[in-house]
Amino acid sequence: DGGITQSPKYLFRKEGQNVTLSCEQNLNHDAMYWYRQDPGQGLRLIYYSQIVNDFQKGDIAEGYSVSREKKESFPLTVTSAQKNPTAFYLCASQTGPDSPLHFGNGTRLTVT
Amino acid sequence: GNSVTQMEGPVTLSEEAFLTINCTYTATGYPSLFWYVQYPGEGLQLLLKATKADDKGSNKGFEATYRKETTSFHLEKGSVQVSDSAVYFCALSDRGGSYIPTFGRGTSLIVHP
Repeated sequence: DGGITQSPKYLFRKEGQNVTLSCEQNLNHDAMYWYRQDPGQGLRLIYYSQIVNDFQKGDIAEGYSVSREKKESFPLTVTSAQKNPTAFYLCASQTGPDSPLHFGNGTRLTVT
Repeated sequence: GNSVTQMEGPVTLSEEAFLTINCTYTATGYPSLFWYVQYPGEGLQLLLKATKADDKGSNKGFEATYRKETTSFHLEKGSVQVSDSAVYFCALSDRGGSYIPTFGRGTSLIVHP
């Protein structure tokens, strides 16, 4: 079955460490997105990529980095520069401009 | 720019009650409109969509009609169940402008037996 896989589901890190969240899709979608969700908050866009080897900053890119070396993969690195990294992170993909997003099941990151 | 405004929650209903969650939008181009649902601890799932004015999207008893004159896409269900308890997000993708999706803040629905 096609879909988006995010791993791991839960991730724990110490402050000052970088951590990479995985996002893989087998839907053959060109566009991929990373969102951050905090309790009681909506979705905030971190980075997006509309094509391989290209990506753009979203609304809250500071302290995060991404790569898009393959169509299927869009990993997100949360760096030590991110002031408040504890959150629920969602990856999504999209096939075209007016098509719906397909979401993974998220990674809950806790930094202590 | 584009924006989506949803009614604030939580919305608390008894089982079998009628549900309406209001959603209005502003867009510079010709948006497609979506409702997504998020169950606790999960990602969002597409619930329904409409791509042009007067289209009605429907799924699992939920409906929403694309109203261009009022720039609205309100979600309705005639009889809610406990299993409908979730967070509902209204969203748009604008084919005429940036097609980066724009989401509302989400509305939490709690249905009591």
